[in-house]
Amino acid sequence: QKEVEQDPGPLSVPEGAIVSLNCTYSNSAFQYFMWYRQYSRKGPELLMYTYSSGNKEDGRFTAQVDKSSKYISLFIRDSQPSDSATYLCAMSFPGGFKTIFGAGTRLFVKA
Amino acid sequence: NAGVMQNPRHLVRRRGQEARLRCSPMKGHSHVYWYRQLPEEGLKFMVYLQKENIIDESGMPKERFSAEFPKEGPSILRIQQVVRGDSAAYFCASSPLGERDEQYFGPGTRLTVT
Repeated sequence: QKEVEQDPGPLSVPEGAIVSLNCTYSNSAFQYFMWYRQYSRKGPELLMYTYSSGNKEDGRFTAQVDKSSKYISLFIRDSQPSDSATYLCAMSFPGGFKTIFGAGTRLFVKA
Repeated sequence: NAGVMQNPRHLVRRRGQEARLRCSPMKGHSHVYWYRQLPEEGLKFMVYLQKENIIDESGMPKERFSAEFPKEGPSILRIQQVVRGDSAAYFCASSPLGERDEQYFGPGTRLTVT
C-alpha cells in the first residue's frame, strides 16, 4: 500500500465548476499537508500548506484536512481554464525532512 | 527575488557518461532537496542537504548517485555511468531556515539518456 494515494484522473470539468481533489494516506504520523500545482513541463508550485485539521482558505482555493479519516482535499471554486494542470498532494512528518508526494491528479477545465 | 534556478534545463547523455545537475536555491534559503519525477508518476524524494552537510539521503540509489551542497556555489546532483532508466525530470527545491515544509521548486532538469 502506498503511503499517499491520489487518483490520477484525468478530471474534466466545465469552466466555473467547483473542483474537488482528494488524497488519502496511511501513516497517522503525518503532520504537515501541502498542495502543489504543476503545469506541463514546469516545476511544482506551492499552493497551500497546513498542519492542523480543518479548513484553510486562500482566494478560490480551500484546503481541508481530516486527520481522523486520514483524508485531505483541495477545493477550487469558480474554476478557470488556467487552472488546468496536475495537482499534487504532499505530506511530511514533524521534525522530518522527507516529503511524500501523491502521484498527482490531472485537471482539465474546459472553456 | 529570483526563484530556485536549475541548469541545464535539458541534458542529453549517452549511456556510461556522467550527468551533473546544478541547483541554486532561493536567496536566503539554506535547505535543498532533490526529487526525481518519472513520466506519469509523482515526485520521489532523493536527498536533503544543508550547506556542507547531507542530512537525509534515504531516497538516493546507493550506487552512481551523489549530491553535494558546498559552502559556496550551487548544489550538485551527480549521476555517474548513466543508464536509460535514469531518464527523468530532476527537480530541486529549497526552503528557508526553520520552515522545512514550505518547499519552493525550480523548473527542473530533463535528463535523457540515449
